[in-house]
Amino acid sequence: AQRVTQPEKLLSVFKGAPVELKCNYSYSGSPELFWYVQYSRQRLQLLLRHISRESIKGFTADLNKGETSFHLKKPFAQEEDSAMYYCAIKGVGSGANSKLTFGKGITLSVRP
Amino acid sequence: DTGVSQNPRHKITKRGQNVTFRCDPISEHNRLYWYRQTLGQGPEFLTYFQNEAQLEKSRLLSDRFSAERPKGSFSTLEIQRTEQGDSAMYLCASSSQGSPLHFGNGTRLTVT
Repeated sequence: AQRVTQPEKLLSVFKGAPVELKCNYSYSGSPELFWYVQYSRQRLQLLLRHISRESIKGFTADLNKGETSFHLKKPFAQEEDSAMYYCAIKGVGSGANSKLTFGKGITLSVRP
Repeated sequence: DTGVSQNPRHKITKRGQNVTFRCDPISEHNRLYWYRQTLGQGPEFLTYFQNEAQLEKSRLLSDRFSAERPKGSFSTLEIQRTEQGDSAMYLCASSSQGSPLHFGNGTRLTVT
């Protein structure tokens, strides 16, 4: 079974402070990890996926297979980063199903 | 907007009534997913179609729930004999192989 754990419900920081949103996963095969974001009154949208190795809106996330983690980081938070963030996992390979399993999410609040 | 479209946006119904929601995926996407989200939780997988075939159903999907995708394009999710516990946001997403899921705005169901 695939599972995602986001241990914190809320992170509140001041503008310009570093941000780390934690995500741990369990999966018996080879996973693909994602971060999705939901801004106020908007739909859930993809922020980044680990296979892309991109930095999106200043956010990065590195897959650590040893620690089974995929923490989301940004060195300097902006007020517009305030949103709900969800970590998600999917199996990879011909035998894996394509559904995404989500964590419970974390609210990031960036204060001016 | 050529994204995933869901109708209606809101539905209020009395306990015991049947409701039906519609999802129109992105046109070139052959995969379609239904999720349910309640307050404080991440999206929970309900069911998944590849073209017109329903390939997986969650144990969350009781006998009162049925989903169809008759021509491999739009999908409907019907809930029969609604209960107050069915109150939630119902999310639809679509994808093609290898692409991430794209979500709609959801249908918020309130059962009174």
